[in-house]
Amino acid sequence: GNSVTQMEGPVTLSEEAFLTINCTYTATGYPSLFWYVQYPGEGLQLLLKATKADDKGSNKGFEATYRKETTSFHLEKGSVQVSDSAVYFCALSALSGTYKYIFGTGTRLKVLA
Amino acid sequence: GAVVSQHPSWVICKSGTSVKIECRSLDFQATTMFWYRQFPKQSLMLMATSNEGSKATYEQGVEKDKFLINHASLTLSTLTVTSAHPEDSSFYICSAMGQLNTEAFFGQGTRLTVV
Repeated sequence: GNSVTQMEGPVTLSEEAFLTINCTYTATGYPSLFWYVQYPGEGLQLLLKATKADDKGSNKGFEATYRKETTSFHLEKGSVQVSDSAVYFCALSALSGTYKYIFGTGTRLKVLA
Repeated sequence: GAVVSQHPSWVICKSGTSVKIECRSLDFQATTMFWYRQFPKQSLMLMATSNEGSKATYEQGVEKDKFLINHASLTLSTLTVTSAHPEDSSFYICSAMGQLNTEAFFGQGTRLTVV
């Protein structure tokens, strides 16, 4: 079945440090891949997405590239800010059937000033 | 992106009572809605999928008689937690997709506390 494996947190970084959060997936066919961010006490916000192999999603300085050969969708940011502190979820959605989303366990990021 | 509104944002109820949570798509017709549950510091677990006008499809282990889902219109789905108990306390999040969408849009979540 489909699944998403995400690196465990928490991740603690200093401001302006480089961020990588690993995400790998198992899926039949060609799923869409997503990164969502959740700030304390809030719902999920779409951060970026990619719908096919080699697509790069980007938003607010975050990037992730859909790598079919390694079944990965790692999230990166060159210089994090305190305001980036949140929980990040990697997710996939099958392109057929019910479009169910499968989420990773989430990675908590804390950025220190 | 499309907007999904969830209401209420938080609710406190007494054990044994029922609570209804609403999920509305504000600017598109949601043919499919999903309900998730999130325990503290954990990921989202899909509870059920509902298509407008049809009965919801529940995930394994989710009690359909306890978590009643209604998707009577293309812009509204409701989740009713019946005879709530403290172990039902959680963060409930809905998401919605339209017929032409390739992604789901999420509500802001409802924090339920049963005392």
